[in-house]
Amino acid sequence: DGGITQSPKYLFRKEGQNVTLSCEQNLNHDAMYWYRQDPGQGLRLIYYSQIVNDFQKGDIAEGYSVSREKKESFPLTVTSAQKNPTAFYLCASSIVGQDTYGYTFGSGTRLTVV
Amino acid sequence: DAKTTQPPSMDCAEGRAANLPCNHSTISGNEYVYWYRQIHSQGPQYIIHGLKNNETNEMASLIITEDRKSSTLILPHATLRDTAVYYCIVRVVHYNTDKLIFGTGTRLQVFP
Repeated sequence: DGGITQSPKYLFRKEGQNVTLSCEQNLNHDAMYWYRQDPGQGLRLIYYSQIVNDFQKGDIAEGYSVSREKKESFPLTVTSAQKNPTAFYLCASSIVGQDTYGYTFGSGTRLTVV
Repeated sequence: DAKTTQPPSMDCAEGRAANLPCNHSTISGNEYVYWYRQIHSQGPQYIIHGLKNNETNEMASLIITEDRKSSTLILPHATLRDTAVYYCIVRVVHYNTDKLIFGTGTRLQVFP
């Protein structure tokens, strides 16, 4: 079955360490996205990429970095510069510019800084 | 970018219709309205979307006002499994941009 896989589901990190969240899709979607969700809040866009080797900052990119070396993969690195990294992180993908079913979301990674 | 406004919470009796309103008064002519729902600690699930016309699928109906400044998601026969946070979202598509802008959503509680 096609879909988006995020790993790990839970992640613990010591303060000051970088950590990378994985996102892989086999839907042949062009675009991929990273969102952050805090308790009781909606989703906020961190980064998005519409094509390999290209990506744009979203609304809250500071303290995060991404790469898009392959169409299927869009890893997110949470750097030590991110002041409050504890959150639920969601990855999504879509077909660019096509009005179909919108975005497909992964099941998320819950990051906790200890 | 267009933003949406939704009531923070609503209740609905099981078996009754749930009508979830959304205001998107700053929406542009080519921007779609999408509805997603999120059950606790899961990824959002697509429900329905529309541009100008009313839409219906196996999950829900979407009613968009003629001026496109507001819309209503209708779950015709709510079940306990429909308890979730429902997001009304505007999809922004420009030349090199395609993104969903989420609001804070409506927490729907379906009770027996």
